[in-house]
This record gives sequence, structure tokens and C-alpha cells, in this order.
Amino acid sequence: QQQVKQSPQSLIVQKGGIPIINCAYENTAFDYFPWYQQFPGKGPALLIAIRPDVSEKKEGRFTISFNKSAKQFSLHIMDSQPGDSATYFCAASDRGSTLGRLYFGRGTQLTVWP
Amino acid sequence: EPEVTQTPSHQVTQMGQEVILRCVPISNHLYFYWYRQILGQKVEFLVSFYNNEISEKSEIFDDQFSVERPDGSNFTLKIRSTKLEDSAMYFCASSDLEGATNEKLFFGSGTQLSVL
Repeated sequence: QQQVKQSPQSLIVQKGGIPIINCAYENTAFDYFPWYQQFPGKGPALLIAIRPDVSEKKEGRFTISFNKSAKQFSLHIMDSQPGDSATYFCAASDRGSTLGRLYFGRGTQLTVWP
Repeated sequence: EPEVTQTPSHQVTQMGQEVILRCVPISNHLYFYWYRQILGQKVEFLVSFYNNEISEKSEIFDDQFSVERPDGSNFTLKIRSTKLEDSAMYFCASSDLEGATNEKLFFGSGTQLSVL
């Protein structure tokens, strides 16, 4: 069962564009939704996260939009830069059950052209 | 900045052989995890470990897998008899209590395991 579905699989934008990556989840017990960024040869690193009691969270150029009723959330990268080229994973967890168990999406490979 | 260290970065083994993947978590962390990523697929949870015992394991983590914290610094994943389908990138992660509560895990760079 795919608990978190992520799209698109890959995304190419020009520098300054606003790539949007979408995720949908099934388990209504999920209460934490982090996004991880992974550069080649590195492990995933936490980028930004949101709890379901807010609809939007912004940190620098990265924004998460959250729609609890639709069970969807998305990552927007404002003024994207070539250095943002990486694989982005959305994830979800039910912190009421096991700490640290994340359910990841399949990842989106983002390429930002200069 | 402290980081999780994994060795080796690549491991090639024959089907049926035992492999041990090694990890050195961040020194003050108490929660340890193994995840894996089969090529082209999502990152999947294998096991979490706290206070010298397994907290939770996924259905992937069958009797062929075991974890151990043999000393104060290392955290290992052993696959007793490797199968072709065990070929994947294996990520170790760690967190402190606050990180575990807020799901802020620190991942290592991974060990690419290839089973031939």
C-alpha cells in the first residue's frame, strides 16, 4: 500500500521559476509532514515540515501548502536556483505510534537550468 | 556540523552471503534507524532502535535482518543471507529526543549494497 503518493517524478524549470511538487496521503492518523532534500551522493536532509493545524508554512524560499480535507500537501520553491537541483521527498508520519517512522513518497528529481 | 557516517559506501556481495553495514550516529543521539531505497523507488523504513532494543520494525525487516549497537558509537545492520532483492541503498539515521518527536532525522550518505 502506497501511503504517500508524490508527483511529478521529475521536473525541469528555468532559474527563477517556481517548481511545485505535490503529495497526497491516505492515512488520516498522519500528523506530521516533512520534506527532505537529497543531493547526489548524500542522504536525505530535512528541508521543511508542517503540522496539519496550519495550512501554510514558509521558510525562506520554500513553502509548504497543506490541505487537510483533501489530504494533500505541496512544496513550492520560489525563485528557484541551480543549487536547488536535487531530489525532493515528501513524507508523513504518525507521531502517536512510532517516533521516527517516516513514510516517504517516491521522490521528485528537480533540475533548475541556469 | 555533526553528521551520521556510514561505511562502506559501496558493498558488493554474492547471494547467500552475510553482510554487515556500519553506521556511526551523531554522538548525543539516542534513536537510531535504518531505511533503504531500492533504485527508482521510495525510501522505506526498516527498523528503529532505542535503549538497546528494537522499537519498531517493518514487514521488510524479517528474520534475515538484525541490528546491533555493539559499543557506544556504532550501529550495525546485518543481513544474514543476502538475496538479489536486497540490493538497495541503505541509509542509517539518528535523532535525539526532540528530533524523534519532531521527526527530524539525520541521515547518513548511505551504503549501496549490490547482491550478485
